[in-house]
Amino acid sequence: AQSVAQPEDQVNVAEGNPLTVKCTYSVSGNPYLFWYVQYPNRGLQFLLKYITGDNLVKGSYGFEAEFNKSQTSFHLKKPSALVSDSALYFCAVRDNTGGGNKLTFGTGTQLKVEL
Amino acid sequence: EAQVTQNPRYLITVTGKKLTVTCSQNMNHEYMSWYRQDPGLGLRQIYYSMNVEVTDKGDVPEGYKVSRKEKRNFPLILESPSPNQTSLYFCASSPGGSGRGNEQFFGPGTRLTVL
Repeated sequence: AQSVAQPEDQVNVAEGNPLTVKCTYSVSGNPYLFWYVQYPNRGLQFLLKYITGDNLVKGSYGFEAEFNKSQTSFHLKKPSALVSDSALYFCAVRDNTGGGNKLTFGTGTQLKVEL
Repeated sequence: EAQVTQNPRYLITVTGKKLTVTCSQNMNHEYMSWYRQDPGLGLRQIYYSMNVEVTDKGDVPEGYKVSRKEKRNFPLILESPSPNQTSLYFCASSPGGSGRGNEQFFGPGTRLTVL
C-alpha cells in the first residue's frame, strides 16, 4: 500500500525567509509525486510534480521540490516566503508501476507566513 | 474556461435521505475522481474512474456509489447518508486514463452536512 506522511501540521515562517514543507512517501514501485495548495474556501491547485529525471523540480509561484529517493522524501521549498503563500499544502503520491490508479494524499501542512 | 464544476456547493440533509452530488468537467479528461477532506485526515480518495464505464474503489468507498456513463460527468451518490459522511467533497479530473503522471484539476468543493 502507498502512503504519504507530512510530519508537521503547521509551519510558521517570517516573510522573506526560506520555507520548507516536509513530505515523505512509501510506494511499492517508483513514485509519481505531487504538491498541491489549497487557499481558504477553494479547491486544490497543482503546484509541481516529479515524474522522472532531474531531482529538483520547479513549479508555480517560485516553489520547488527536491526528490530524494534514498530518503523517500519530496520536500517543498521556496527561497523567500510571501504572506500570500499562507495556505494549506498537500503532498500526494501515485505508484507508477503495478495496478491501480489511486492517488494518496498526506494530511496537509498549514503554512503561515508572517510579516 | 476549462473547469470542473460541482453541484450543489452546500447541502444540509438528514440521515437516510438519498442524495447525489454532480461533477462535470469540460476538458475531455479520461480520469475523474472523488475525494473527501476531513480535518486531520487530509484528502482521501473515495472512487475513481479511468474512463467511461470504468470505475474503481479508492481508500474509503463504503457508503458511496458512482457512475460514469458519459466522459464529462461523474456523479457521487449517497444512497443512505449518515452523519459520519459529513465532510467536504472534491471532484477532480486529469487527462489520460492511465496517465499516472498527470496532475489533477479540482472542483470548488461541496460541503455536506448530514444531520
